[in-house]
Amino acid sequence: AQSVAQPEDQVNVAEGNPLTVKCTYSVSGNPYLFWYVQYPNRGLQFLLKYITGDNLVKGSYGFEAEFNKSQTSFHLKKPSALVSDSALYFCAVSPRAGANNLFFGTGTRLTVIP
Amino acid sequence: DTGVSQDPRHKITKRGQNVTFRCDPISEHNRLYWYRQTLGQGPEFLTYFQNEAQLEKSRLLSDRFSAERPKGSFSTLEIQRTEQGDSAMYLCASSLIVNEQYFGPGTRLTVT
Repeated sequence: AQSVAQPEDQVNVAEGNPLTVKCTYSVSGNPYLFWYVQYPNRGLQFLLKYITGDNLVKGSYGFEAEFNKSQTSFHLKKPSALVSDSALYFCAVSPRAGANNLFFGTGTRLTVIP
Repeated sequence: DTGVSQDPRHKITKRGQNVTFRCDPISEHNRLYWYRQTLGQGPEFLTYFQNEAQLEKSRLLSDRFSAERPKGSFSTLEIQRTEQGDSAMYLCASSLIVNEQYFGPGTRLTVT
């Protein structure tokens, strides 16, 4: 079975500081990992994905994520947080290549404090 | 706006009534997905279409739920005999590339 854990319900960070939103996963076989962001009254927006290759994946809005196979983690990072980054962030895993469904974590609410 | 659109955005209904939601995907996307999201949870997969064919259904999709995509473009999700437990946000997503899904704003259903 596949699952995703986001251990922090809430992350607060000061504007300009680096941010990390944590995600760990469990899946048989090679993982396909994703980050989505959800702003109020708007749909989930795709940020980035890891399929294969370089463990450091760069995505939209200056975000990046690091795949760590030994720790089964896929943490989302940004070097310098903006107030506009405040939103709900979801990590997701696809159980296999070409799978049609995503399994999402419960989300982490990021608040960037001015 | 050329993103995924959903209608209505909000629906309040009484227990036992039927409701139908519509999703219009991004025009060139042949894959369409429905998810359900309850408060404090991430989206949960319900069903998947490739063109007009419904290829995958979650065990969450009880027999009161039915989804169609008759011409391989828009899709509808119908819930019959609604229950209070059906209250949730219903999300539609579409994709051209497998595993890169674009989500609509959702339809929030409240069953009273």
